[in-house]
Amino acid sequence: AQSVTQLDSQVPVFEEAPVELRCNYSSSVSVYLFWYVQYPNQGLQLLLKYLSGSTLVKGINGFEAEFNKSQTSFHLRKPSVHISDTAEYFCAVSVKTSGSRLTFGEGTQLTVNP
Amino acid sequence: DTGVSQDPRHKITKRGQNVTFRCDPISEHNRLYWYRQTLGQGPEFLTYFQNEAQLEKSRLLSDRFSAERPKGSFSTLEIQRTEQGDSAMYLCASSDRGYYNEQFFGPGTRLTVL
Repeated sequence: AQSVTQLDSQVPVFEEAPVELRCNYSSSVSVYLFWYVQYPNQGLQLLLKYLSGSTLVKGINGFEAEFNKSQTSFHLRKPSVHISDTAEYFCAVSVKTSGSRLTFGEGTQLTVNP
Repeated sequence: DTGVSQDPRHKITKRGQNVTFRCDPISEHNRLYWYRQTLGQGPEFLTYFQNEAQLEKSRLLSDRFSAERPKGSFSTLEIQRTEQGDSAMYLCASSDRGYYNEQFFGPGTRLTVL
């Protein structure tokens, strides 16, 4: 079975500051890794994904994440945040099997203050 | 329509009543997933269809829950004899055949059981 731990439940930052949202996972098999964002009263939107290859992946809205296999981590970063980045962020994994379910972490609420 | 749609968006019901939710996936997506998200938590997998076949069910899906996808297009999730613990956001996602599992989510149906 897979599990995901998001190390911070809430991250408050000021506008234009850098931010890192931390994610660690556990799995006995190889996995795909995802970050989703959820705005209030909306569904989840994919930010970025790691499938294979380069460990640094770039996503939408200026976000990027780095896969670290030895530390089983997939931390999300943005060099300069905006008020509009305020949302809940979820890290997720799935095994490399066609049609596999996503296993989510508990989420990190990012709040960007002016 | 380019996204996953869900109906209704909100449902308030009394304990003991039956409720049914509908999900319309992205056209041509052959995989459809249901997840449940309670307040402050990440989504949890409920069940998965490939075309009309229900291939996987979580232990969270008690015998009061039933899901169908009769023609391999839209899907319904029914909860019988609702309990207050069923109050949650029910999310539907779909994905295309492919070697990884990027899932596209609908806006969700928020269920409140009084």
